[in-house]
Amino acid sequence: NAGVTQTPKFRVLKTGQSMTLLCAQDMNHEYMYWYRQDPGMGLRLIHYSVGEGTTAKGEVPDGYNVSRLKKQNFLLGLESAAPSQTSVYFCASSATNEQFFGPGTRLTVL
Amino acid sequence: AQSVTQLDSQVPVFEEAPVELRCNYSSSVSVYLFWYVQYPNQGLQLLLKYLSGSTLVESINGFEAEFNKSQTSFHLRKPSVHISDTAEYFCAVDAGGTSYGKLTFGQGTILTVHP
Repeated sequence: NAGVTQTPKFRVLKTGQSMTLLCAQDMNHEYMYWYRQDPGMGLRLIHYSVGEGTTAKGEVPDGYNVSRLKKQNFLLGLESAAPSQTSVYFCASSATNEQFFGPGTRLTVL
Repeated sequence: AQSVTQLDSQVPVFEEAPVELRCNYSSSVSVYLFWYVQYPNQGLQLLLKYLSGSTLVESINGFEAEFNKSQTSFHLRKPSVHISDTAEYFCAVDAGGTSYGKLTFGQGTILTVHP
């Protein structure tokens, strides 16, 4: 099993550009999450999903959109990137109370 | 709203010394508590968790944490650290109920083990 995978691993954007981060899991988990990690702030929840076709806002949803069209995939979109969105993004999935994390995507917005 | 406070942002120790990483949380409901570890340039891995039962939980690599409800704490300890324990450690809380599965993380503690 690959577990949780994320693509791409690194990306540099210019202010105003858009992009989509892809998260895939092969564990048949119902729950999926997107976090951002910034120095000294831990991980903060952006959006999450409790099942295929459902999404909900987390702690810091502004500037991001998500979609869960298939159970195994959870997409995070930035419509108009801003320097404040420079961060490391982690996806996670869970069936119960243990979350499994992907390796992360390092995004820089210039 | 829940909050998790990790009282030390950095903890330097020498190899084979004991270590304690402190975590306090605020919640008025029953909680699940977790410690995750992040090695450089990697994602987070679950180290140990408290769901119910014994308040002392252990990991396979010698860490342990004790749930103290009266002090709302979940401190992580290891009696003798190794160089390979150098990593960032995150405490997290899941309040359950309608927020089932959603974690609130602390700010992280960087543990550096020196030879």
